[in-house]
This record gives sequence, structure tokens and C-alpha cells, in this order.
Amino acid sequence: DAGVIQSPRHEVTEMGQEVTLRCKPISGHNSLFWYRQTMMRGLELLIYFNNNVPIDDSGMPEDRFSAKMPNASFSTLKIQPSEPRDSAVYFCASSLTTSGSVDTQYFGPGTRLTVL
Amino acid sequence: DQQVKQNSPSLSVQEGRISILNCDYTNSMFDYFLWYKKYPAEGPTFLISISSIKDKNEDGRFTVFLNKSAKHLSLHIVPSQPGDSAVYFCAARGRRGSYIPTFGRGTSLIVHP
Repeated sequence: DAGVIQSPRHEVTEMGQEVTLRCKPISGHNSLFWYRQTMMRGLELLIYFNNNVPIDDSGMPEDRFSAKMPNASFSTLKIQPSEPRDSAVYFCASSLTTSGSVDTQYFGPGTRLTVL
Repeated sequence: DQQVKQNSPSLSVQEGRISILNCDYTNSMFDYFLWYKKYPAEGPTFLISISSIKDKNEDGRFTVFLNKSAKHLSLHIVPSQPGDSAVYFCAARGRRGSYIPTFGRGTSLIVHP
């Protein structure tokens, strides 16, 4: 298996522009997570999907952030409009969740976002 | 309010010596603990875990110790190797409510040859 795939690996954009990050989870996994990593806050959970349904989006910073999972093999995280403070590394992870218990998470390589 | 704390942002160790990475947690509902390792430009990868019914779990050079009364766990790497240089994240999850792991901020380990 190729593991969790994220694209793009790097994104540089200007403030106010829309940014879309993409993720393909591991086949057969039923849970998908979007994380943001910064020096100050470490790894923060933004949103968690189970069986393509958003379960917990309490970590989404504000209305500028939105995430979708139209099917079991694809998810997007969109920032519109982007701001310099959104600069971070964004990770997607997937896992197999049974009876509500999250098994080991497998992370993608991340997207390094820089907003100028 | 951080529920999982890694108070040492960095640790430097000589090759062949022991590396000890520490993690404290505040939520008494946590019952399963994990360590992830992260190299630059890569995502975190699972390293080792421990359930609250145990106080030690060993996997090769890596051992995790859990002290439930102190709400403290530690990762021991013996002997340390230069390839162990990475950021190590501690994570914890509970048995009810949210089963999603909560991560610490990470400790950067540098093993000098």
C-alpha cells in the first residue's frame, strides 16, 4: 500500500487566496483526521471523519476553514481566505476505527503551507 | 489547556547512551498511550504503545514505562543511535467519550555520533 497520500507537498500563496489541501487515506481505513502542526501548539486535531461523516470539527479554527470527505478515498481541507497565521504543516492521517476506538493512526507526509 | 505535556522541547544524547523522553498527562480518563516518531519532511509514524493495565512495554531498543499514580510515562531508547534523531510525540486516548488521541508538542531528540 502506498500509505496516506497528500498533495501538494508544498504550497506558497498570498494572503486572501483560497488554498485546497488534498488527502487520499489508506484503502480500507474508515477514519480520517486532519492535523495542523506548529511550533507553538504542536499537533492539533482540526477535524475527524468516520465513514465519511464529520464527527468532531471542534478543532477547526474558524469559518475560513472547511473540510469535506465526498467518498472513502478522498478528502479536502480548504482555507478561504488564507492568512499568514495559517502557515503551518498540515497532516492527514487515517486509521481503522472499531467500536468507537481509534486504532493506530497512519500519517501522510504533510503539506507545508506558507501564506505570505 | 494541554492534557498531554512534553516539557522538554529538545534532548541531546551521545550515541550508545540511553535516551529518556518524558510525558505527563492530566486526564485520568486516558487509558492508552502511544509514542510516534517524526523525521523531517515526513509524517509521524507509530513507534510503541502501552495500555493502562501495564506498567511497561518493550520492543527491541524501545521501552515505554507508565506510572499511573503520577500520570507520567517515559520512552527509553537503549542504546541510542544517530538514526534515532527525530521528533518524538507522546499521545494519549481515553476509554469513553472521545477515543481520538491527544498529542503532546513533541521532543526533538538529537543523538550525536
